[in-house]
Amino acid sequence: GAGVSQSPSNKVTEKGKDVELRCDPISGHTALYWYRQRLGQGLEFLIYFQGNSAPDKSGLPSDRFSAERTGESVSTLTIQRTQQEDSAVYLCAASQDRGETQYFGPGTRLLVL
Amino acid sequence: AQRVTQPEKLLSVFKGAPVELKCNYSYSGSPELFWYVQYSRQRLQLLLRHISRESIKGFTADLNKGETSFHLKKPFAQEEDSAMYYCALSDNYGQNFVFGPGTRLSVLP
Repeated sequence: GAGVSQSPSNKVTEKGKDVELRCDPISGHTALYWYRQRLGQGLEFLIYFQGNSAPDKSGLPSDRFSAERTGESVSTLTIQRTQQEDSAVYLCAASQDRGETQYFGPGTRLLVL
Repeated sequence: AQRVTQPEKLLSVFKGAPVELKCNYSYSGSPELFWYVQYSRQRLQLLLRHISRESIKGFTADLNKGETSFHLKKPFAQEEDSAMYYCALSDNYGQNFVFGPGTRLSVLP
């Protein structure tokens, strides 16, 4: 395929609403990561999926954040009851295996008003 | 736990000058180190990884296990090198992947 894709590219929502962000990884890439990048800051790891193994959720900042992945395909990141501090770019990355080169999507820019 | 530090948030150099972006890590095993780059309005992408031992766009990086460093160097900076650079580490089991906070390189004309 053309690489990792993410949708929507931009999302504006009101405080308290739920949002769902989507990531389509490269076919055959079993590892999938979600990161958050706040304005002017580095990458913050959120969650990692590897095949059918239990996901590594150690980076999720609160129980308002959750993510799912169906097999080795699409992943969705859900943020419930959004807060203004959730405003950031949410990046998805895929790799052939954990520890290998990660290929990043273009990100979803989330703005919570 | 693994950790990656990049002491400079912002580094400005003039075109043609040498540039070195510092990266230090903490890990007791044998890590794999990467440099990722994000140019303006582009997605984050791999620049180089230490096991490849190659030069990309004139950049090189040498893993120094004694100093636990993986500094990125280029002898003559170009304006198009202006970007955000992230150092990253993977442990030797591929179990953990950690990014540094990033350094913004600005190459001035």
